[in-house]
Amino acid sequence: KNEVEQSPQNLTAQEGEFITINCSYSVGISALHWLQQHPGGGIVSLFMLSSGKKKHGRLIATINIQEKHSSLHITASHPRDSAVYICAVGLKGNEKLTFGTGTRLTIIP
Amino acid sequence: EADIYQTPRYLVIGTGKKITLECSQTMGHDKMYWYQQDPGMELHLIHYSYGVNSTEKGDLSSESTVSRIRTEHFPLTLESARPSHTSQYLCASSRGYGYTFGSGTRLTVV
Repeated sequence: KNEVEQSPQNLTAQEGEFITINCSYSVGISALHWLQQHPGGGIVSLFMLSSGKKKHGRLIATINIQEKHSSLHITASHPRDSAVYICAVGLKGNEKLTFGTGTRLTIIP
Repeated sequence: EADIYQTPRYLVIGTGKKITLECSQTMGHDKMYWYQQDPGMELHLIHYSYGVNSTEKGDLSSESTVSRIRTEHFPLTLESARPSHTSQYLCASSRGYGYTFGSGTRLTVV
């Protein structure tokens, strides 16, 4: 069983819909990252969280340390949001990242 | 503007050739990483470095080697490329818990 589980694996939605991607992890962490990977392959770091909630534009990330769960929300989704969203955790005492398998998001105009 | 640079972006090369994938960062980060990612799969750590002259193998076994002679430069070398090395290779650097990723090199060995 992977230490980092994401759901759903694939998500297709209409433009304008509110999107939620979930991430659960099974170990103690120092930080959780949400990453975005476009078809070209490069990765952009969206958020780094160790507690609470962060917002950047239409993106919101939350984390519940007790429940070992994080969510990434996209409001007013747009086709340019289509990408793979990856959850990654830094384990306590270890700055290396462990990655989820990603959620492939497709926003249809 | 990217702070971590990977070249080449795409590479198609014949079996048996020696190749070096370049990775440079301008942020002065001590820690640098190489990840391998097959299509549709998660990233796996193959090498990392916590500073100059420090390199370690990652969680996924790889026939590649790395060097860290300068803080900003972390090249990855395959002495003899094989079709099984076909994959995407991503470089990253970090300070504390903040990570920056490169655009990746998509390698195809024919």
